[in-house]
Amino acid sequence: GQQLNQSPQSMFIQEGEDVSMNCTSSSIFNTWLWYKQEPGEGPVLLIALYKAGELTSNGRLTAQFGITRKDSFLNISASIPSDVGIYFCAGQVQGAQKLVFGQGTRLTINP
Amino acid sequence: NAGVTQTPKFRVLKTGQSMTLLCAQDMNHEYMYWYRQDPGMGLRLIHYSVGEGTTAKGEVPDGYNVSRLKKQNFLLGLESAAPSQTSVYFCASSQFGGASETQYFGPGTRLLVL
Repeated sequence: GQQLNQSPQSMFIQEGEDVSMNCTSSSIFNTWLWYKQEPGEGPVLLIALYKAGELTSNGRLTAQFGITRKDSFLNISASIPSDVGIYFCAGQVQGAQKLVFGQGTRLTINP
Repeated sequence: NAGVTQTPKFRVLKTGQSMTLLCAQDMNHEYMYWYRQDPGMGLRLIHYSVGEGTTAKGEVPDGYNVSRLKKQNFLLGLESAAPSQTSVYFCASSQFGGASETQYFGPGTRLLVL
């Protein structure tokens, strides 16, 4: 089946630093999504991308849909303690009704 | 408006026991999904439903059954639990299918099979 490789698996940073993570796929996706999961809760959608090359921001978060349609990137600028959590990418192949999720990036911030 | 709720929040089973996880949504969504989350593996789709009375297999359906008798409820059943089914189970719903439709997730059910 389709697989998404998300990296890094974990990050330990200082408050105020910028964060970058990415997802790559062996398949071409027509949609990329980025979710955040906090402890004890379900994932919450952060950003949705629908076109190759698209760059979308949500506050301090910026995500891009790769030109090859096989990758996506999420950046967080000036991290704060509430950014802690697990970030998941998810993608959908054209015509499919299901999402494929990456393994997640666990973000830990030292104040 | 509670969104997506899941019952129970936590359960411990012995191998071979059965149980049903309940998911309820009050957003009148057509699509509902059951995922399992395991360390280092992200979320994997077990079963999903595109409307009342319909169900379909996802990526990892073996050992699970589902039913969608009412539009607002999606039940996940384990007939004979196995230790490999120890996981956190998430239910989600969306108005329609496709990634352009936001999936709203419940808080999860943590299941431990001994």
